[in-house]
Amino acid sequence: DIVMTQAPLSVSVTPGESASISCRSSKSLLHSNGITYVYWYLQKPGKSPQLLIYRMSNLASGVPDRFSGSGSETDFTLKISRVEAEDVGIYYCGQLLENPYTFGAGTKLELK
Amino acid sequence: QVTLKESGPGILQPSQTLSLTCSFSGFLLSASSVGVGWIRQPSGKGLEWLATIGWEDVKHYNPSLKSRLTISKDTSNNQVFLKITSVDTADTGTYYCAHSAGFAYWGQGTLVTVSS
Repeated sequence: DIVMTQAPLSVSVTPGESASISCRSSKSLLHSNGITYVYWYLQKPGKSPQLLIYRMSNLASGVPDRFSGSGSETDFTLKISRVEAEDVGIYYCGQLLENPYTFGAGTKLELK
Repeated sequence: QVTLKESGPGILQPSQTLSLTCSFSGFLLSASSVGVGWIRQPSGKGLEWLATIGWEDVKHYNPSLKSRLTISKDTSNNQVFLKITSVDTADTGTYYCAHSAGFAYWGQGTLVTVSS
């Protein structure tokens, strides 16, 4: 199975400042079609996960452009610019390249 | 507007079979490249993908649970089903269904508790 390792496990951010979350995969997520199959989700308290970023760097519909995704074949970053109160929750990276699809353990974002 | 909603028994006893239903709207499971997946989350823990079924009835299972899982669909009624046999306390958690294209849309989840 592809292991997804996130860091840090928790982050505390002052509103208005930026935050970055890292995710590393145990295997390249770059498909021969040129697409990198890493996804980012946010689970707000008491809610279902919601898609933020698909295929490493594409912003999902309705997601503020304060969110951005980048990376290489095995190292990925989610950046949140100008953190707001509504960004609080647990962030998960996931790989949808091969069976079984797997997710990182999550990064909890809190406000200072 | 895409929506999904899970339903299940709430509570069941060890060794029983868990039957879950995902009712959806806003897309057709008969359309090309469309699928629905199931993901679960033990309380306070992370996400585990279980299975996905595609428009052409191709099924994919998590190998760690494959012997216990059966996914199926009723295209005409916009529903997808998941059965898990021989449940035990480790199967307790919230079960989500999601549109399989990047899991862009999720249901609200249904809480399942396995307890004697």
